[in-house]
This record gives sequence, C-alpha cells and structure tokens, in this order.
Amino acid sequence: SAVISQKPSRDICQRGTSLTIQCQVDSQVTMMFWYRQQPGQSLTLIATANQGSEATYESGFVIDKFPISRPNLTFSTLTVSNMSPEDSSIYLCSVEDYRVLRYGYTFGSGTRLTVV
Amino acid sequence: AQSVTQPDIHITVSEGASLELRCNYSYGATPYLFWYVQSPGQGLQLLLKYFSGDTLVQGIKGFEAEFKRSQSSFNLRKPSVHWSDAAEYFCAVGKAAGNKLTFGGGTRVLVKP
Repeated sequence: SAVISQKPSRDICQRGTSLTIQCQVDSQVTMMFWYRQQPGQSLTLIATANQGSEATYESGFVIDKFPISRPNLTFSTLTVSNMSPEDSSIYLCSVEDYRVLRYGYTFGSGTRLTVV
Repeated sequence: AQSVTQPDIHITVSEGASLELRCNYSYGATPYLFWYVQSPGQGLQLLLKYFSGDTLVQGIKGFEAEFKRSQSSFNLRKPSVHWSDAAEYFCAVGKAAGNKLTFGGGTRVLVKP
C-alpha cells in the first residue's frame, strides 16, 4: 500500500497563529483527504484535495480557516489558521491507493495539535 | 447521505475470549465498508474491507467481518482476543472508489488479563 509521511507529528501552538501540516505520499495518488479527530471523537472529513483543482470542503469547514494546497500528485498541505483551543485535534491525511483500492484508504500517522 | 453507527462505545473483554463489534450503516446502494483500528497514539490501520462478493471477509490480525445487507450491518469478529487488541475500532462506509469515507463513532476495546 501507499506510504504516507505526515509532518509534524505533534505541535503546541499559541492561539491566533497558524500551522501548516504536510502530507507526502510515496506514490502518485489522485485524491487526498484531510480528516480531523477531536479528542475522544471519531474522524470527520475536512476536505478532499485533487491535484490541479480547488479543494472540496465539507459542511462546517471553510477555506479561510483550513486552506489546502495540492501542488502535485504526491504532496498536500493543510493549514489550520488563526487557531483557537477548539482546534486542538489530531489531523490526518488519507489517500486512496491508486491500485484500484486494493489496499483501501491509507492514513498518515496524524498530527496531534494542541492550541494554548 | 451515508451514515455509520457503532452502538457500543466501550467493550471490555477477557483475553482469550471472543469479540464482536457492531456496525450499522445507512446507504441506498451497495456500500464500500471498512474496519480500521487505531492504537493509542497511532494512526489508523486497515483491518479489512468489503466491496462485493463473499459476504464473509477475512482481514489481518485474525479479524473477520460479515456483510449482511438485510440488516445493514458489517460486524467485526475475532475468536480469541489478545492483549494487543486493546484499541479503538472504527467502521467506515464509502459510496464508491475514490469517494470520501464516513466513520462511525468508534468502539474502544479494553482487554482484561
């Protein structure tokens, strides 16, 4: 399956600042997904990122707060902007394995963000 | 819209006992169904998936799941749990290849010695 490198693995940030999370895949993938996992909660999709087009955001998530870049088929970034303590979560990127889902969706190890 | 329900928030099981985790989904057509496990401080690992064909699916780590269309269920089972199976388990549903996944709330499994 695809191997995903997600950075940073964790960070503690001051409120009002921004953090950019990177997701690097070892193979070309069409679609990349960004999820949020709030403390003790399940995963919620933030947006879907396709290379060469604007990301598609889910209800409750906006581009100004969570801008996403997808410059090529192996890389994407998610920025959490103007952070508040409510943004403290684990953020995960995920890819559809291009080998026709032979391995399903693969997830990065996540970025554990704490906003103080 | 698709949705997933995992009725059990916590399950405690003795080591060596069997385990069954429930998952019910809501979707109009045949869904893509997944079970993932998340160990403390770790990312998600795919245990197994169902797209079509045989409704009994074998996965990794000795897990299996059965798709029952009439009950809209995709329950996960393991005949004999090991202490290392203590983790959070998530059921997820997708509409098609390349589509987003919708996750259930998760079931936390505790394993007693």
